[in-house]
Amino acid sequence: IVLTQSPGTLSLSPGERATLSCRASQSVSSSYLAWYQQKPGQAPRLFIHGASSRATGIPDRFSGSGSGTDFTLTISTLEPEDFAVYYCQQYGTSRPTFGQGTKLEIK
Amino acid sequence: EVQLVESGGGLVQPGGSLRLSCAASGFAFDTFAMSWVRQAPGRGLEWVSVISGSGDSTYYADSVKGRFTISRDSSKNTLYLQVTSLRAEDTAVYYCAREPAYCGRGCYSLSDYWGQGTLVTVSS
Repeated sequence: IVLTQSPGTLSLSPGERATLSCRASQSVSSSYLAWYQQKPGQAPRLFIHGASSRATGIPDRFSGSGSGTDFTLTISTLEPEDFAVYYCQQYGTSRPTFGQGTKLEIK
Repeated sequence: EVQLVESGGGLVQPGGSLRLSCAASGFAFDTFAMSWVRQAPGRGLEWVSVISGSGDSTYYADSVKGRFTISRDSSKNTLYLQVTSLRAEDTAVYYCAREPAYCGRGCYSLSDYWGQGTLVTVSS
């Protein structure tokens, strides 16, 4: 399954709303779609699993939605620490795949 | 506290081999599936391999199948990745990661804890 994330780069200001998209080349089984955040020099961190469930410790300004082939990560009000690269991942096949990433940068 | 610490990376010539290790602590290692994910410099994440908690099921990305072998030693709480026939395109930071307990049947390589990574550089 190929995952295509858009946009490649998103330039926003703190306080704004961010909407990141992840589109799959075929339906993702059981909504096994996750979102990770990665900051420079750090390992990825799990933010969303099951398309819409927040991982432990993730603030509620982060929300995931979608099913089938179209998924969205929404950050309701951007905080300075939210600027990073976000990857989606499908994990419902024995060949999991990641999207190419969306860089969320400060405008 | 869950901790994953990778080691074993380094500079290796094309065609060479390495064994990467991931020392796990803070959880019941033999009850969790574990994965390797890599990231080439300046690039995105690429899933490499996953092994079940018991070690009897393994899966590989097509790009490494036949060259890489994932294994685990529950007596040492350690995950391994034997990498052979290395190519320039295998140059990457290799992360080990743990699959959460709620990742059940049909769930592969969701990762809730990650190590800091070990860098493998393939160059002559």
